[in-house]
Amino acid sequence: QVQLKESGPGLVQPSQTLSLTCTVSGFSLTSYHVSWVRQPPGKGLEWMGVIWTGGSTAYNSLLKSRLSISRDISKSQVFLKMNSLQTEDTATYYCASKLGAHYFDYWGQGVMVTVSS
Amino acid sequence: DIQMTQSPSFLSASVGDRVTINCKASQNINKYLNWYQQKLGEAPKLLIYNTNNLQTGIPSRFSGSGSGTDYTLTISSLQPEDVATYFCLQHSSRFTFGSGTKLEIK
Repeated sequence: QVQLKESGPGLVQPSQTLSLTCTVSGFSLTSYHVSWVRQPPGKGLEWMGVIWTGGSTAYNSLLKSRLSISRDISKSQVFLKMNSLQTEDTATYYCASKLGAHYFDYWGQGVMVTVSS
Repeated sequence: DIQMTQSPSFLSASVGDRVTINCKASQNINKYLNWYQQKLGEAPKLLIYNTNNLQTGIPSRFSGSGSGTDYTLTISSLQPEDVATYFCLQHSSRFTFGSGTKLEIK
């Protein structure tokens, strides 16, 4: 059974760094890429970035200077790190993949992150 | 980067109505356009891929059309369970989501 599951701190202080983990099961990160998508409360979806099967990455140009995505294949984990957090970064963060044949056809449950002092 | 303009942002319709939601891309996206449904508190769910292909398990009252820069999601006969927010996604060049359409029952 394929699954993606996000984990991380629920609360981060302003100016600090956010670290999230997407743990996948039922598939290999060398066969399927994983993206991060976020959604501020009551707002729309924003694609943040992707780590491709070969390990290369691509980022949303608006976030590129603050964002890093990496992975540990042996642990089936994808990591998101974003620095200089502000209150506007408060959102639910999702990881998603193309496990069938279509982009973003599988999603994790999401993890809510609040940026506040 | 490709921008996606989605309209309307809010839609209220009656059960049985035909409903249309639109997305306009800032450049030709060659039909690389998906539609997603997101119910309150849930992750988005893929409805339609590559403009007009229904994802497995999605009711046939959902359909998609379009080409070039203009795309449409149609619900032929609105049902109560269709209350949700709908998003388009272009995957022609990286990825961009539309801003969403919140659909409610009148």
